[in-house]
Amino acid sequence: GAVVSQHPSRVICKSGTSVKIECRSLDFQATTMFWYRQFPKQSLMLMATSNEGSKATYEQGVEKDKFLINHASLTLSTLTVTSAHPEDSSFYICSARDSGGRQGPNTGELFFGEGSRLTVL
Amino acid sequence: SQQGEEDPQALSIQEGENATMNCSYKTSINNLQWYRQNSGRGLVHLILIRSNEREKHSGRLRVTLDTSKKSSSLLITASRAADTASYFCATGHTGANSKLTFGKGITLSVRP
Repeated sequence: GAVVSQHPSRVICKSGTSVKIECRSLDFQATTMFWYRQFPKQSLMLMATSNEGSKATYEQGVEKDKFLINHASLTLSTLTVTSAHPEDSSFYICSARDSGGRQGPNTGELFFGEGSRLTVL
Repeated sequence: SQQGEEDPQALSIQEGENATMNCSYKTSINNLQWYRQNSGRGLVHLILIRSNEREKHSGRLRVTLDTSKKSSSLLITASRAADTASYFCATGHTGANSKLTFGKGITLSVRP
């Protein structure tokens, strides 16, 4: 199956610093990627839809200036948590849909990265 | 808002038994998908069933969809300890950029 690489898998930072998380589709192109946040033992909460070459679409209640998303190429989207605070500590997961090739964009299946656990001290 | 709601929230069974997990949703959908998540890991796609399908099989997995009741079930037959994980249903709509809405998940524990 298609592979999505997410980096870093774990990051610990001090309050007030910014952290960048990368999401790469390794063997397919993805015009659209999704960023989720997951709290312990809870479901995935969609934060934003990342669109290649254009602005991300944020879900209600998600601060776009706090969570900066850049999707500069068909295989890479980045999420930057700016001025991180302890309440931003969470598990962040990206996903991508194969927008071309084998499976086509309308199969619905998403391919997920392994997640990035952010701890803000 | 939550679209999919799974039940039970937690399920513990003996290895070899079948596990049945249910999911209900509220609005019209194009497809419904089931994903699996091992602790601290990303999600893995298990199976997708479209709104015009009623049942689908994949190995030990069987998924049903009842659009009149807005519900789906995931059956894992002959469970194994390695099936221990969280399982999520997700509802999807048409369009290349359509997002999935995930339910709260079911924690399945399979005792060896």
